[in-house]
Formats: sequence, structure tokens, C-alpha cells
Amino acid sequence: DADVTQTPRNRITKTGKRIMLECSQTKGHDRMYWYRQDPGLGLRLIYYSFDVKDINKGEISDGYSVSRQAQAKFSLSLESAIPNQTALYFCATRATGDTEAFFGQGTRLTVV
Amino acid sequence: RKEVEQDPGPFNVPEGATVAFNCTYSNSASQSFFWYRQDCRKEPKLLMSVYSSGNEDGRFTAQLNRASQYISLLIRDSKLSDSATYLCVVNFGNQFYFGTGTSLTVIP
Repeated sequence: DADVTQTPRNRITKTGKRIMLECSQTKGHDRMYWYRQDPGLGLRLIYYSFDVKDINKGEISDGYSVSRQAQAKFSLSLESAIPNQTALYFCATRATGDTEAFFGQGTRLTVV
Repeated sequence: RKEVEQDPGPFNVPEGATVAFNCTYSNSASQSFFWYRQDCRKEPKLLMSVYSSGNEDGRFTAQLNRASQYISLLIRDSKLSDSATYLCVVNFGNQFYFGTGTSLTVIP
């Protein structure tokens, strides 16, 4: 089983719909991140959290919200999906003081 | 200006070749540096950290030049299994900043 698990792995949704992407981890890390990856743009940070109840905006947070329900869980929501949110989304975790980040397998989201 | 800049390639090299990737970063206060490998449609995975003294892991050698804000990755004796996208990653302010990646295809 993966240490960082994302669900769903693939999703097609319609414009205007609300959708939630879930991330859970068994590594015991306190820091969790959500990124999106687009061709030619690399990975860009959406939101990050250093602990439960700690939420920080990243580079491209507009149109997204997050919830850190527990240390092991970090959810990303699109309140009203739009086509330019079509992308590959990655969750990542890292322990404080550690430098390596561990990624989930990704969620491929298509907004039509 | 992007925090991390990489040549996107693609690099197409024959098996056994030596190939080098370069990366520059804009923030002189950057604290740590990495190369990640990403296979098609998969998650990025750490290949190696990068230190000023240079570090080597088998066929892979990474180098950091803080004065020039420049990071490099050298792959010797390329294998077919080295085909992937290589991401240059820089850490500062508790955040990671990713380059767009350099695509490598090793040809038989």
C-alpha cells in the first residue's frame, strides 16, 4: 500500500460542480501539500498545512479550498469547477526538519 | 521570473551516453536542493539531494554552485530505464519550488 494515498485517481466533472480530492498518509508527517501540474508549467503549490488547523495559501489558491481534518488527512475542494482547473493534482507530505517530500500517485481531473 | 528554470529538452540520447542537465534558481536564500525523477503520468520521486561539495550515487552526479545559483545533474552510461522527466527542486521559506522538468529519452 502507498504511504500517501489520493482518491479518486481519475475524475471527470462538469463545469460548476463541487468536487473534493482526498489525501491520506501513513508516514506520520506533520506537513502536507497540494500541488497541480500542467504541461510546461511544472508543479505549482495550491495550499499547504504544517499541522491540524494550520492552513496556508500557496502560489495559486484562488478557486480552491482545503481542510486538514486530522494529521493524516488533507482534502482539496473545488467549490465550482471550471475547465482551466483541468490538471494533474498531487498531494505531498514531509516531516518537519526532513527535506524529502513524498508524493501521492496523483489525481487526474478533467472539467468539461 | 520563475523561481527555478530548467531547459525542458527533450534530450534524446543513445544507450551508454553521458548527459547533463542544468538548472538555475533565483532566490539566493534557498536552503536545500534536489533532483526528482518523474515517470510519465506518475508521481515525482526523490532521485538525490544536491550539495555544494558535489555528490554521487552510482551513475548519477549532482553539483551545486551557490555563487552562480546553478544546479547540475550528470548521468553517465545512460540506460533505457533512465528515460523520464527530471525535476530540479529548490527549498526555501518552508516551500518547495519546482522546475518545469527536463525530458530524457534513452534510445536503444
